[in-house]
Parts: sequence; structure tokens; C-alpha cells
Amino acid sequence: NAGVTQTPKFQVLKTGQSMTLQCAQDMNHEYMSWYRQDPGMGLRLIHYSVGAGITDQGEVPNGYNVSRSTTEDFPLRLLSAAPSQTSVYFCASSYSPGKNTEAFFGQGTRLTVV
Amino acid sequence: RKEVEQDPGPFNVPEGATVAFNCTYSNSASQSFFWYRQDCRKEPKLLMSVYSSGNEDGRFTAQLNRASQYISLLIRDSKLSDSATYLCVVPGRGFQKLVFGTGTRLLVSP
Repeated sequence: NAGVTQTPKFQVLKTGQSMTLQCAQDMNHEYMSWYRQDPGMGLRLIHYSVGAGITDQGEVPNGYNVSRSTTEDFPLRLLSAAPSQTSVYFCASSYSPGKNTEAFFGQGTRLTVV
Repeated sequence: RKEVEQDPGPFNVPEGATVAFNCTYSNSASQSFFWYRQDCRKEPKLLMSVYSSGNEDGRFTAQLNRASQYISLLIRDSKLSDSATYLCVVPGRGFQKLVFGTGTRLLVSP
């Protein structure tokens, strides 16, 4: 019962470096999303996907790219890391939000950009 | 108006107290609402769902007021282990995304 698997758990990057945060789910969920959480800001939606091949921007998409080539995977790419991207990142999946279902979260990635 | 608004707190209560949080939402078409619990530095986890007028699970009661567009979470007989941040979640407009409130922090003291 893996649920949502998110890697890595911790990462330190230098300014300007790129990296990909991995997210995989084994529940055949249609909906996947990425959030960042900063102190006092709550969870802010970066990008989301309602199915394979379909992605859309959330509240804070700048500096991030996503793709959804399969139902299971939804990687988040940081193109050129900046200190402002220091945050905790969570991946989540669920059946369609309109279908009144629970969202399951990965354990989070704590990213520091120096 | 924000899609979901919560009082960030913190709410400081003694053990055994009853505490209530409110959450207001802007999408009047929403049919489902959720309360998630988040412990420090951990991922959020579902606490309760609210689909109609309300839901009760042990010491926890969630209620929905559609006319005023808010949901509430009531915790009775607070325990030390209830200390956490409680997140209000509703589907966003178009029902293609979930919108999280900023969370209400609860601190239960001995």
C-alpha cells in the first residue's frame, strides 16, 4: 500500500541549478497536484493535472514545469533554482475533486536553495 | 474574496476544553468540504469530510452552513495530541482543483 511516493525527502541546491521532484501514485487517481508550503502561507497550488496529458497552472506556477505522461507519475521540475523557492513541497493525488474524495499526500520534500 | 479563509490562530486551550474553528468559502456551488490535520513538518491527512449538513466522529463534529457559506470544526474534550494545524479544503471553481485554507493552529496545554 504505497499510496503517494515523493522523492527526495531533502534537497539542497545552489542558485541556478535545476532539479526534478518525483511523485508517483499507485491508486489510479485522475487528479494530481503540487503544492508548496511556506510559514504563514498555507499550502499554495503550483500546478495540477486532471489526467494524463493534461496539466494546468495553479496559484504560483512561475519557475516550475510539470508534465503528466502517465496516470501514475507527475514530476515537478525547477528550471533554475532561486532562494525564493526554498520551501516544503507536497505532491497530492485524488479522484476528481468534483467527486467528493479524499486527497492523499506524499511525505514532502524539504528544499533549500542557497 | 479568497476562495477559502481561516483564522490562523493559534488557539491555546487547556486539556478537556471544547474548541471550534470556522472556515468560509466563496464557491457557492461546492458540494463537498474537508478538514485535514497537519502535524508539524508532516503531510496533511484527512480528518473529516462534510457532504451535507454535518458529520460527527467521536470528539469531532464538522458542520456546514450553506446559507452563510462556512463550515466549522468542533473538538470536544481536547487532548494534548490534538495539537496540530487544521486545514479547511474545498473544491475550487470548475471542480478541477482543491483549494486549501491557510490553516488554524491549535495548541492544547496540560
